[in-house]
Amino acid sequence: AQSVTQLGSHVSVSEGALVLLRCNYSSSVPPYLFWYVQYPNQGLQLLLKYTSAATLVKGINGFEAEFKKSETSFHLTKPSAHMSDAAEYFCAVSDNTGGFKTIFGAGTRLFVKA
Amino acid sequence: GAGVSQSPSNKVTEKGKDVELRCDPISGHTALYWYRQSLGQGLEFLIYFQGNSAPDKSGLPSDRFSAERTGGSVSTLTIQRTQQEDSAVYLCASSLDDRSTTQYFGPGTRLLVL
Repeated sequence: AQSVTQLGSHVSVSEGALVLLRCNYSSSVPPYLFWYVQYPNQGLQLLLKYTSAATLVKGINGFEAEFKKSETSFHLTKPSAHMSDAAEYFCAVSDNTGGFKTIFGAGTRLFVKA
Repeated sequence: GAGVSQSPSNKVTEKGKDVELRCDPISGHTALYWYRQSLGQGLEFLIYFQGNSAPDKSGLPSDRFSAERTGGSVSTLTIQRTQQEDSAVYLCASSLDDRSTTQYFGPGTRLLVL
């Protein structure tokens, strides 16, 4: 069975500050890991994904995440927050045991203060 | 090109009525997923279709929920005898095939059961 835990339902940062959103996963098979972003009243947009290639993954909008197997973590970072980054972020895990049905974390809402 | 589309965007219904939600995947995508996003349960996998194979229905919460995919393209999610706890946003996603890790999400259908 797979699961995802996102630490912190709400994170608040100042504009220009580092963004760090934490995600830990559990999987009995090598996982595929994802970060999605959801802006208000919009669907999910893929930020980045880990698919067993490079452990440091770069995504859109300046975000990146590092897969750490020893820590079962896949934390999302961005060096400098912008106001436009305010949204809800979901970490997710999947495997290829029949499609890629995805298990999502509870989400972290990011607030960016001016 | 066109993304995943869903209709209706909003649906209000009375408890006990049946509803049908529609998903049009990206043209040529053979894999299709339904998810539900609710306040109490977060984002949950419901059902997965791949080509002409039998669907993976492991996420459907009760036998009031069913889905079909006609001609390998459009999918309809049907909820019979709706309950208030069915109120949620229902998201559809498609991907190129069962080996593709990237899912493209539609904007969702917001269902409110009164």
